[in-house]
Amino acid sequence: QVLLQEAGPGLVQPSGTLSLTCTVSGGSIRSNYWTWLRQPPGKGLEWIGYVFHSGTPTYNPSLNSRVTISVDTSKKQFSLKMTSVTAADTAVYYCAGARAGDYVWGYFDNWGQGTLVTVSS
Amino acid sequence: DIVMTQSPDSLALSLGERATINCKSSQSVLYTSNYKDHLAWYQQKPGQPPKLLFYWASTRESGVPDRFSGSGSGTDFTLTISSLQAEDVAVYYCQQYYTTPWTFGQGTKVEIK
Repeated sequence: QVLLQEAGPGLVQPSGTLSLTCTVSGGSIRSNYWTWLRQPPGKGLEWIGYVFHSGTPTYNPSLNSRVTISVDTSKKQFSLKMTSVTAADTAVYYCAGARAGDYVWGYFDNWGQGTLVTVSS
Repeated sequence: DIVMTQSPDSLALSLGERATINCKSSQSVLYTSNYKDHLAWYQQKPGQPPKLLFYWASTRESGVPDRFSGSGSGTDFTLTISSLQAEDVAVYYCQQYYTTPWTFGQGTKVEIK
C-alpha cells in the first residue's frame, strides 16, 4: 500500500511562491506518475500536473507558466512550486499517484490526505 | 479542454433507493486503439481525499462494494448505487484521462432524505 504525505507552509503571501513536497512510502518512486491536484474550499477538483521519475513534467496549460513539478528519487519525494500566487490559489492541495502501462493512465488510486494552503497577507 | 458535465448537481434519496449520477464529456473519451473509455469515478467524503471507485468507466477498484456500478461509453457515462446506504453520503466526481489537461465534473452531492 503506497502512502503519500504532503508537507509545506499553510500560509503564503500574495505574489509569493507556494512550495509543497509529497513523500512516498510503501512503494517505489519509480512506479507511478506523480501528480498534484487542488480543490478550492467548497469547490471541485483541478489537475495541476504530473511527473515521472524520468522525463519531462506535464502541466495544466492554465497554470503552466507558474508551476514546476519535480521529483527527487533519493528522498522518495516529489515537489510542487507555484509562483505569483493570489487568493484564487487558496485550496487544499493533494498529491496523488497515477498508474501507467504503455502510457500514463491518468486515474488516481493513491492520494495524500491533502494540505490547505491559504494565500493571504 | 474536455468539459465534463454531471447531472444532477445534488440528489436526496431514502435509504435503499437507487441513485443514478450522469456524466457527459464534451468529446469522446474512447481510445479506438484499445477500445477503452478513459473515464474514472471518485467518491469524496467531507474532510477526506477522493477515493477511486471505477476506472476504464466500469472497472471496479478493489474493495468497492458491488452496489456501485459504472457504465457508459464514448461521451455518456453513469454511476449507479443500487441500494443507497448511509455511508454512501458523499460528493461523487467523474474524471476524464483521455487527454491532458485531465478534467473533472463539477461533482454530485448525494444525501439521505
